[in-house]
Amino acid sequence: ILNVEQSPQSLHVQEGDSTNFTCSFPSSNFYALHWYRWETAKSPEALFVMTLNGDEKKKGRISATLNTKEGYSYLYIKGSQPEDSATYLCALRDSGNTPLVFGKGTRLSVIA
Amino acid sequence: GAVVSQHPSWVICKSGTSVKIECRSLDFQATTMFWYRQFPKQSLMLMATSNEGSKATYEQGVEKDKFLINHASLTLSTLTVTSAHPEDSSFYICSARPGAGSGELFFGEGSRLTVL
Repeated sequence: ILNVEQSPQSLHVQEGDSTNFTCSFPSSNFYALHWYRWETAKSPEALFVMTLNGDEKKKGRISATLNTKEGYSYLYIKGSQPEDSATYLCALRDSGNTPLVFGKGTRLSVIA
Repeated sequence: GAVVSQHPSWVICKSGTSVKIECRSLDFQATTMFWYRQFPKQSLMLMATSNEGSKATYEQGVEKDKFLINHASLTLSTLTVTSAHPEDSSFYICSARPGAGSGELFFGEGSRLTVL
């Protein structure tokens, strides 16, 4: 069974602060890693799909990096805003035919 | 992006009754949909993979006779929790992928089930 770990479980930051959190996974049998943002009472929203070691993707103030050899991905948020408050999920697929396996998420609260 | 709609968003039912949850892909066809369940402070756990026109594939430990999945069309999958009990109270969420490969999943809004 794939084990996807996310840390920290939750964090609180002040508006304007930059922050980052981690997704760890087994480095063997990697196919793709997904990041989602999940706001309360809404559907999880896809942020990034990462497939290559060394990948770095960016969407506005949010960026992510991937290291498949050591089995981790970082999500960075620059200049956090209250609207960034959400649970950030990472999910791993170990082949093209298998479903996503999710971590428990990191719950971010940005305080104005 | 693609839109997946799930209904109802919350439901309260008595123990022993059955509850049906619908998952629709509104602007794309989905030959495969996925049903996840999330208990408090836990990760989304895959319950089953719903395949249009064929039987669903259930994950280990998920009772197929209790969680009936029907994927009768390319835009609709339903999950029926039969003879629900309080331990079935959970958050159920569906997802679908417009294409194959590493493409992203699009999720419904989820359904909060409370069994009294």
